[in-house]
Amino acid sequence: DAMVIQNPRYQVTQFGKPVTLSCSQTLNHNVMYWYQQKSSQAPKLLFHYYDKDFNNEADTPDNFQSRRPNTSFCFLDIRSPGLGDAAMYLCATSGILGEQFFGPGTRLTVL
Amino acid sequence: DAKTTQPPSMDCAEGRAANLPCNHSTISGNEYVYWYRQIHSQGPQYIIHGLKNNETNEMASLIITEDRKSSTLILPHATLRDTAVYYCIVRDTGRRALTFGSGTRLQVQP
Repeated sequence: DAMVIQNPRYQVTQFGKPVTLSCSQTLNHNVMYWYQQKSSQAPKLLFHYYDKDFNNEADTPDNFQSRRPNTSFCFLDIRSPGLGDAAMYLCATSGILGEQFFGPGTRLTVL
Repeated sequence: DAKTTQPPSMDCAEGRAANLPCNHSTISGNEYVYWYRQIHSQGPQYIIHGLKNNETNEMASLIITEDRKSSTLILPHATLRDTAVYYCIVRDTGRRALTFGSGTRLQVQP
């Protein structure tokens, strides 16, 4: 089945230690998104790629970066995680019809 | 994107229809209404979307009022697995991303 895959499902890092979360898709969609979802809150968009065109949300901290080396893969880099960055990170894709398909998420814990 | 207003929580008996309302009184002509749901500890799942006509698929029906200022998502025969947070989102066709509101937490009771 075509899908959005996120690895790892659970990630533990130390305060200030860089961490990378990965997302891959088999849907061949040209748009990929990263959302942050903190406990008991709604998902919040960090940025998205339209093909290789990177689009950052105005309030996304500089601590968050992203890379998309090809259509299938997208990475979220957190350069210096703080305690406030502990959250579920959701990757999503969308094609020409606009509806988004989400991965299962990576739950990040910062110690 | 237009803002949406949803009740924070609803209960529904298993096997009965669940009707989830959403107000979007500032919606503009080129904005679609999308519904997603998020089961605990999973990623959101697309349910249905529409512009002005009522829509139905294998998961649900979407009823949009004639003035488009509100809509209702209908799960015709709710099951325990439908317990989730349901998000109503209004999205401009020119904007790719979704802006999630606080959603409605639906609890299906046995």
